[in-house]
Amino acid sequence: EAQVTQNPRYLITVTGKKLTVTCSQNMNHEYMSWYRQDPGLGLRQIYYSMNVEVTDKGDVPEGYKVSRKEKRNFPLILESPSPNQTSLYFCATRGGAGADTQYFGPGTRLTVL
Amino acid sequence: QKEVEQDPGPLSVPEGAIVSLNCTYSNSAFQYFMWYRQYSRKGPELLMYTYSSGNKEDGRFTAQVDKSSKYISLFIRDSQPSDSATYLCAMSANQFYFGTGTSLTVIP
Repeated sequence: EAQVTQNPRYLITVTGKKLTVTCSQNMNHEYMSWYRQDPGLGLRQIYYSMNVEVTDKGDVPEGYKVSRKEKRNFPLILESPSPNQTSLYFCATRGGAGADTQYFGPGTRLTVL
Repeated sequence: QKEVEQDPGPLSVPEGAIVSLNCTYSNSAFQYFMWYRQYSRKGPELLMYTYSSGNKEDGRFTAQVDKSSKYISLFIRDSQPSDSATYLCAMSANQFYFGTGTSLTVIP
């Protein structure tokens, strides 16, 4: 089954404690991205990766890091989380035969106290 | 001006009603137009996509794109309580742009 998986699904942490949210896909898509979703603001892109070892900033990259060492994985790293990073995070891949569409993971709900 | 504008609703309709969801956009370079459905506590799932202008039908769902007016629509016929969700429009040129979503409730 084609899917995008994220872990953990729920996380409560404290300010300043480094964390990583993992993302993995089995669709062999080259493009992967991270979004955060906040009420009234919709989906905002944090970072994206066109291919292995190629990453670029999205609309709201401050406070986040990513790496793309292999095609299937695209972890999101928060080196020093702050309360304003409390949000719902989605990993997505982009591709599909004959179409330009994105496929989303199930989401990670992060609370930073 | 935002790239994509979508009325957040909420929209509440009785079961069996026809639902019309809409988005407007400003970038004439957009070629792919999508609708996503997002249930509470879930990730957005692709519902329909359309390339360029025209209509596309899939069961009870019809997507319309009017590039001359920069306006896209999603129609849901014979709406069901299981259609209750947030619907997001999206469009792409090189980059993806999403609407903020319209919350729909279908009342049995």
